[in-house]
Amino acid sequence: AQSVTQLDSQVPVFEEAPVELRCNYSSSVSVYLFWYVQYPNQGLQLLLKYLSGSTLVESINGFEAEFNKSQTSFHLRKPSVHISDTAEYFCAVSSGGGADGLTFGKGTHLIIQP
Amino acid sequence: NAGVMQNPRHLVRRRGQEARLRCSPMKGHSHVYWYRQLPEEGLKFMVYLQKENIIDESGMPKERFSAEFPKEGPSILRIQQVVRGDSAAYFCASSPRGHEQYFGPGTRLTVT
Repeated sequence: AQSVTQLDSQVPVFEEAPVELRCNYSSSVSVYLFWYVQYPNQGLQLLLKYLSGSTLVESINGFEAEFNKSQTSFHLRKPSVHISDTAEYFCAVSSGGGADGLTFGKGTHLIIQP
Repeated sequence: NAGVMQNPRHLVRRRGQEARLRCSPMKGHSHVYWYRQLPEEGLKFMVYLQKENIIDESGMPKERFSAEFPKEGPSILRIQQVVRGDSAAYFCASSPRGHEQYFGPGTRLTVT
């Protein structure tokens, strides 16, 4: 069985400050890792993914995440946040070749303060 | 390329009625997944389907819930005899070959 832990349910940050949202997973097999973002009353949007290759993955809007196998982590970072980044962020993992259902963390609410 | 479509977006049912939620995957996607999001919780996997086949239904409640993905038409999540505890947001996701999944906007079910 696999699980995902997002240690912080809520992270308040001032605009233009850096942020890190933490994600740890447990799995006995190789995994694929994802970050999704959910804006109020909307579906989830894929932010970035780790399938294989480089352990540092980046999104088009300035977020990045690093897969750390030894620490079983996939933390999400952004060097300078904007008001528009206010949203719920979910870390997710899949295994078994990647085609099975995703296991999600409980989410982290990122609150950007002006 | 249109995204994953779900309808209705909002659905209100009285206790004991049936709820039917529809999901049209992205063009070219043959894998469909259903998830449920309860208040203050993350998303929970329910079922994974490919055309005409249920691949994994380990997250589906044993009773009242069923899902299908016919050869033609959308995937359907069906909840019979709804109860208040079924009130949640139900999301569908599709994938071209497994790996990354693309989510629809969700159906918010309210049971009164």
